[in-house]
Amino acid sequence: SAVISQKPSRDICQRGTSLTIQCQVDSQVTMMFWYRQQPGQSLTLIATANQGSEATYESGFVIDKFPISRPNLTFSTLTVSNMSPEDSSIYLCSVDGMDTEAFFGQGTRLTVV
Amino acid sequence: AQTVTQSQPEMSVQEAETVTLSCTYDTSESDYYLFWYKQPPSRQMILVIRQEAYKQQNATENRFSVNFQKAAKSFSLKISDSQLGDAAMYFCAYRSASNNFNKFYFGSGTKLNVKP
Repeated sequence: SAVISQKPSRDICQRGTSLTIQCQVDSQVTMMFWYRQQPGQSLTLIATANQGSEATYESGFVIDKFPISRPNLTFSTLTVSNMSPEDSSIYLCSVDGMDTEAFFGQGTRLTVV
Repeated sequence: AQTVTQSQPEMSVQEAETVTLSCTYDTSESDYYLFWYKQPPSRQMILVIRQEAYKQQNATENRFSVNFQKAAKSFSLKISDSQLGDAAMYFCAYRSASNNFNKFYFGSGTKLNVKP
């Protein structure tokens, strides 16, 4: 199984600012995934990050709002830009396991005030 | 698009007893994977159990087992001998097996309370 370290674990941010979330994996992986989990709701895929190429965004998510970097095979960042209270959520990083399952980081709880 | 439905927003079970969480899904595909994930208050999503659609035998992992009914598109999770540590949100998830990368589709979750 993969061990995923996600930072920060939580943050409280002012509206209009940006927050960058880091995701570090203990092994090399082709794809890394970023999810949003709004309060009391399920997980929604934001984008898929491949090393060496631009991230692929799901419908409803755009690069200007959620820029993603993937500089190598073990690391990725997600930035939440120009934040509003509606961006208050848990953000989760994920990678695939060997048997099609997903492994997740511990999540970042973001509160925008 | 595939959809995953969990009709029980919240369930309660007495410690040491058995509880079943329901999940149904909609797909036109024949080959796919189904999962149950647990999310305790720590927020970490933890894989509980996994089922391949081509396998008729229901998956089991210690106290956790599934009832997979492919024709009915049903995938319920049974937790036996419930423990206080089982209290969490449980998410049912679907993933296509048709190519190398397929996104997960998650249900809305069931909050499980375990009473001592």
